[in-house]
Amino acid sequence: DAGVIQSPRHEVTEMGQEVTLRCKPISGHDYLFWYRQTMMRGLELLIYFNNNVPIDDSGMPEDRFSAKMPNASFSTLKIQPSEPRDSAVYFCASSVQGAFGPQHFGDGTRLSIL
Amino acid sequence: DAKTTQPNSMESNEEEPVHLPCNHSTISGTDYIHWYRQLPSQGPEYVIHGLTSNVNNRMASLAIAEDRKSSTLILHRATLRDAAVYYCILRKTGANSKLTFGKGITLSVRP
Repeated sequence: DAGVIQSPRHEVTEMGQEVTLRCKPISGHDYLFWYRQTMMRGLELLIYFNNNVPIDDSGMPEDRFSAKMPNASFSTLKIQPSEPRDSAVYFCASSVQGAFGPQHFGDGTRLSIL
Repeated sequence: DAKTTQPNSMESNEEEPVHLPCNHSTISGTDYIHWYRQLPSQGPEYVIHGLTSNVNNRMASLAIAEDRKSSTLILHRATLRDAAVYYCILRKTGANSKLTFGKGITLSVRP
């Protein structure tokens, strides 16, 4: 079975550029989560969706970050404009059985902002 | 929110059992104990969860103290592939409960 698919796996871009990270959740999962991992702050929840609707975006750092889920099989996390402090590994996860079910994570996108 | 405390690191030998401890002295009655692990360069992976009774699955066993203030993740025969960061997380029941990851414990497995 296909797991959570994230693209790209690696992204290197210059400060000020727009960055778009993509996620395809596991088919049939109704919850989707975006996390960010850095050495300093560990793994942090940014936002999550239920049935394509954002439920909690309290972890989104600031207005430069936005996330959308136009349909059940696709989500994006966008950073505009990007800054060096946004460099991190970004993970997408999905789950079924409500937000309480086990979360299945993708392999992440390693983002470097120069 | 109740927090968990784990040692920073642990070493084990291949093919031997591993016991990973977790303290959660302020756990509430609605908190489930979840374990995830993260292998190098991968996303976290669900391992097991429980409420009061000990739990077993194909990956591991979870032993929960009677007062629920601590728990132990047991890997019955460690392999090199089990080297990872293991996270012990308290998660409340409810439709919109979150996973809050701490620093976890880094498990090294010696051949």
